[in-house]
Amino acid sequence: QVHLQESGPGLVKPSQTLSLTCTVSGGSISSGGFYWSWVRQHPGKGLEWIGYIYYSGNTYYNPSLKSRVTISIDTSKNQFSLKLSSVTAADTAVYYCAREIEDLTGSYYFDYWGQGTLVTVSS
Amino acid sequence: QLVLTQSPSASASLGASVKLTCTLSSGHSSYVIAWHQQQPEKGPRYLMKLYSDGSHTKGDGIPDRFSGSSSGAERYLTISSLQSEDEADYYCQTWVVFGGGTKLTIL
Repeated sequence: QVHLQESGPGLVKPSQTLSLTCTVSGGSISSGGFYWSWVRQHPGKGLEWIGYIYYSGNTYYNPSLKSRVTISIDTSKNQFSLKLSSVTAADTAVYYCAREIEDLTGSYYFDYWGQGTLVTVSS
Repeated sequence: QLVLTQSPSASASLGASVKLTCTLSSGHSSYVIAWHQQQPEKGPRYLMKLYSDGSHTKGDGIPDRFSGSSSGAERYLTISSLQSEDEADYYCQTWVVFGGGTKLTIL
């Protein structure tokens, strides 16, 4: 059973950089066919995809956040990380890491999620 | 543009059944989608992936009460014998796109 766990500061000041790490257990982050993703949820709202990284280091970001997002991977630690720069109060949300799988039919879907971590942007 | 449309809310009585709908935008009716459940104050949980022909594969430990079906561009999640813990938000998803979610209330 794959398990994902987010970690990082719960409070970030405006204009600073939000940094979170997702630790994966129960499976190798270096396995092909998986896309290691970040998704966020503003209070009382739906799910918003932020971006993903493949084990090779290839990334793909939500165009609306692309200028501020960096996702990186550390295969030696079985971790991947999110950095979101120049944050404002609008970035206050619960941040989830998740695994997206590409199955044999070429379909993509999230099959494992972390429990999420609330990040508040405030001075 | 790929869009998934869900009704914002649904309700059903304890022990009854409910059918939630996710509609794929024009030109995308063949897409596979996934259903996710988010109970209050918890992270999402993968329920199943659902193909255009109605076949579906459920995640680990998902009860038989949860099933999926399809018709054209519509993808359905049916929950039978509703229990109190089924009160949750349900999201459909494909690739990096999510539906807006349906909040299910158990009466």
